[in-house]
Amino acid sequence: EVQLVESGGGLVQPGGSLRLSCAASGFTFSNYWMHWVRQVPGKGLVWVSRIHSDGSTTRYADSVKGRFTISRDNAKNTVFLQMNSLRAEDAAVYYCVREPMIGYYFDYWGQGALVTVSS
Amino acid sequence: QSVLTQPPSVSGAPGQRVTISCTGSSSNIGAGYDVHWYQQLPGTAPKVLIYVNNNRPSGVPDRFSGSKSGTSASLAITGLQAEDEANYYCQSYDNSLSGFWVFGGGTKLTVL
Repeated sequence: EVQLVESGGGLVQPGGSLRLSCAASGFTFSNYWMHWVRQVPGKGLVWVSRIHSDGSTTRYADSVKGRFTISRDNAKNTVFLQMNSLRAEDAAVYYCVREPMIGYYFDYWGQGALVTVSS
Repeated sequence: QSVLTQPPSVSGAPGQRVTISCTGSSSNIGAGYDVHWYQQLPGTAPKVLIYVNNNRPSGVPDRFSGSKSGTSASLAITGLQAEDEANYYCQSYDNSLSGFWVFGGGTKLTVL
């Protein structure tokens, strides 16, 4: 069974940093592109970042470019999102999601990690 | 402002048919990129409902169907049931700038 389990969410002050982790299981992690998608409670879904299966390339939404860094450890089946210079507008539930080998979509989602940015 | 446009809400009585539209542009749906649909029940993570325009993952009832034409797509739900009450999101890929994954703003389905 495919499982994606996020951790690392919490309360951080504006300007602070937080690192999210997503532990994957139930599939060959190193074969898949992985993404982060966020959702302000009560609002819509917004794509944040993507990393290639071997970690060689990354992409970011303009809103987080230069502040967030996605990375992965294929030996530990884990993908990370390092978030720096956090702003109030970054507060959201962050979902770790898997992109299947064909399709440009997301076939499995984690349960989400809540990030609160407040002083 | 979402790249893909959906109606904020739709409603229908049990047993009825409803459709949810998703309108894009020449850099996403109109460029030939596929459309996918997600269902998000209250308090849960989204799950894929329709992928690659009109394909259902195993376990999704055939009451749900998708279609795509030009710069738009639609999700149809027939035989509406109370448990269908949820938020629905369309998603595609956009090739403007460096390319990115895009969502609609979401549609709240209310079963009357």
